Amino acid sequence: NAGVMQNPRHLVRRRGQEARLRCSPMKGHSHVYWYRQLPEEGLKFMVYLQKENIIDESGMPKERFSAEFPKEGPSILRIQQVVRGDSAAYFCASSSGAGEQFFGPGTRLTVL
Amino acid sequence: QKEVEQDPGPLSVPEGAIVSLNCTYSNSAFQYFMWYRQYSRKGPELLMYTYSSGNKEDGRFTAQVDKSSKYISLFIRDSQPSDSATYLCAMSSNTNAGKSTFGDGTTLTVKP
Repeated sequence: NAGVMQNPRHLVRRRGQEARLRCSPMKGHSHVYWYRQLPEEGLKFMVYLQKENIIDESGMPKERFSAEFPKEGPSILRIQQVVRGDSAAYFCASSSGAGEQFFGPGTRLTVL
Repeated sequence: QKEVEQDPGPLSVPEGAIVSLNCTYSNSAFQYFMWYRQYSRKGPELLMYTYSSGNKEDGRFTAQVDKSSKYISLFIRDSQPSDSATYLCAMSSNTNAGKSTFGDGTTLTVKP
């Protein structure tokens, strides 16, 4: 009975590189959400996806960030040309669409 | 002004105390109210999930929602050292249950 899975758990990138974060939702869930958490802060919504569709990307930075949730495979959050300010914990959550969201363990991105 | 304001803490109580955690909000469209517990360097864990106004009890935890005052609370009875964590309130609207807005969290320490 696996919960939400995220990998990698820790990711180190140099400025200018690309970061790819993966999220596999709970079994039976087709709704995925990405959040970012900076130190000592709450979670900030980034994007909400269903299979093959972006439902709400109002929290996504306009440049360098993209997300997808293909028909097969995990959801991917992609950050191009990373900068130090991208260093944060990125959490994925999934739901069946009924409102309750269940979170994964997060990916901690460090940009050197 | 933030949509969701949470008492910042930190909060330190002796074991066995009753803990009260609080959030206020400004968006009258919020209909779903959640409390999450987050241990250090872990993902948020859903504790309580309520819809609209009223009380909900689960073991030592009681969630209260007062929509007229735009105020929600989480009470923890007979607090234990294992309750030491950061508590996050979150809420979402009826029209977009997927997107949750979080408070910044209150860090609780329960001393044995």
